[in-house]
Amino acid sequence: SQTIHQWPATLVQPVGSPLSLECTVEGTSNPNLYWYRQAAGRGLQLLFYSVGIGQISSEVPQNLSASRPQDRQFILSSKKLLLSDSGFYLCAWSEYSNQPQHFGDGTRLSIL
Amino acid sequence: GQNIDQPTEMTATEGAIVQINCTYQTSGFNGLFWYQQHAGEAPTFLSYNVLDGLEEKGRFSSFLSRSKGYSYLLLKELQMKDSASYLCAVIKAAGNKLTFGGGTRVLVKP
Repeated sequence: SQTIHQWPATLVQPVGSPLSLECTVEGTSNPNLYWYRQAAGRGLQLLFYSVGIGQISSEVPQNLSASRPQDRQFILSSKKLLLSDSGFYLCAWSEYSNQPQHFGDGTRLSIL
Repeated sequence: GQNIDQPTEMTATEGAIVQINCTYQTSGFNGLFWYQQHAGEAPTFLSYNVLDGLEEKGRFSSFLSRSKGYSYLLLKELQMKDSASYLCAVIKAAGNKLTFGGGTRVLVKP
């Protein structure tokens, strides 16, 4: 069966510091991969999605970036974090575009 | 773009039924998903509708009317553990992404 791993679970970072969140999927090949952010009490906002290695689509302009160095690995990064980057970051995968997305446990990021 | 509207909050009694409505406006509709999200946790998939009609899965059912841009999630025999946010999400035909509504927080009271 397929599993998705996302880490760390929580992270506290100072403003201006770099960020790297990692997500890996097991039990499937060439999945669609997604990064979402959820602000407190709000809906999910799609940040990036990828349909294959090295293929990244960005949905909103921001100081974040994403990379997919391997088939089942998706990384969310920032060179300099802003206070507004605080939130709950979720990685998800799906078999195809119109199939259900399955989420990792999320990373709660607090910027001080 | 896509507009997805659902009520912010609903309260219901244990053992009762609650219906969560979702309306959407989109071009090239290719399916609607419902997710459950408990506080502080990741969303979990509940149901997927791509054709008109009712899909039933145990205590949960989801209905879709594409002509009306309307869906609902029906929760029967409510249990305390059903207290959570319920997210409606729509996927377009020409695209790889889901657009989520703001979620409906359901509070089940004894």
